[in-house]
Amino acid sequence: AQTVTQSQPEMSVQEAETVTLSCTYDTSESDYYLFWYKQPPSRQMILVIRQEAYKQQNATENRFSVNFQKAAKSFSLKISDSQLGDAAMYFCAYRSRAGGGADGLTFGKGTHLIIQP
Amino acid sequence: KAGVTQTPRYLIKTRGQQVTLSCSPISGHRSVSWYQQTPGQGLQFLFEYFSETQRNKGNFPGRFSGRQFSNSRSEMNVSTLELGDSALYLCASREGQGYQETQYFGPGTRLLVL
Repeated sequence: AQTVTQSQPEMSVQEAETVTLSCTYDTSESDYYLFWYKQPPSRQMILVIRQEAYKQQNATENRFSVNFQKAAKSFSLKISDSQLGDAAMYFCAYRSRAGGGADGLTFGKGTHLIIQP
Repeated sequence: KAGVTQTPRYLIKTRGQQVTLSCSPISGHRSVSWYQQTPGQGLQFLFEYFSETQRNKGNFPGRFSGRQFSNSRSEMNVSTLELGDSALYLCASREGQGYQETQYFGPGTRLLVL
């Protein structure tokens, strides 16, 4: 079974600064997908960014980028120019490529990101 | 398009009762997944439905069941409720396949078992 670990229960950053959220995972599979989801206080989960394991190039989405280290099984999220609206719980998630997605997502416990004005 | 909707949003039940939660996916989405979110266990996969078929189920007891209708709407049922079933239940509908997939989550149903 796969596991996802987020070692930082809470992070705080000043507005406009850069913050990196850590995520490590354990799997015996070679092909999989990794995601970062954001859950604001309103509770609606939103996809932030995704990475396919066989792609070496790190994904980027505007101010959000990842550092994917497959050998180290590490998948960190960097948020540049932090904004007040970035305050939320951030979840790292894993999904196997096998099974066509039927296995669902395996989530980490989350990191609570606080943005200081 | 309207987003994923879940009803009811809040529910209070007592131990031993049963409950049914509903999820309407985004129009055109055929895949619906359910997750349980608790402070202690975090987000855990319950089951996934595609075209009215349950494709997989997470590590939950048989008290947790679900179904999907021909219009892709899904329901999950929890029988003989226990205090530990208190949680936020999230439904997600999926668009696309593989790398292009995007899961859209609903606002959740918060269940409190007394």
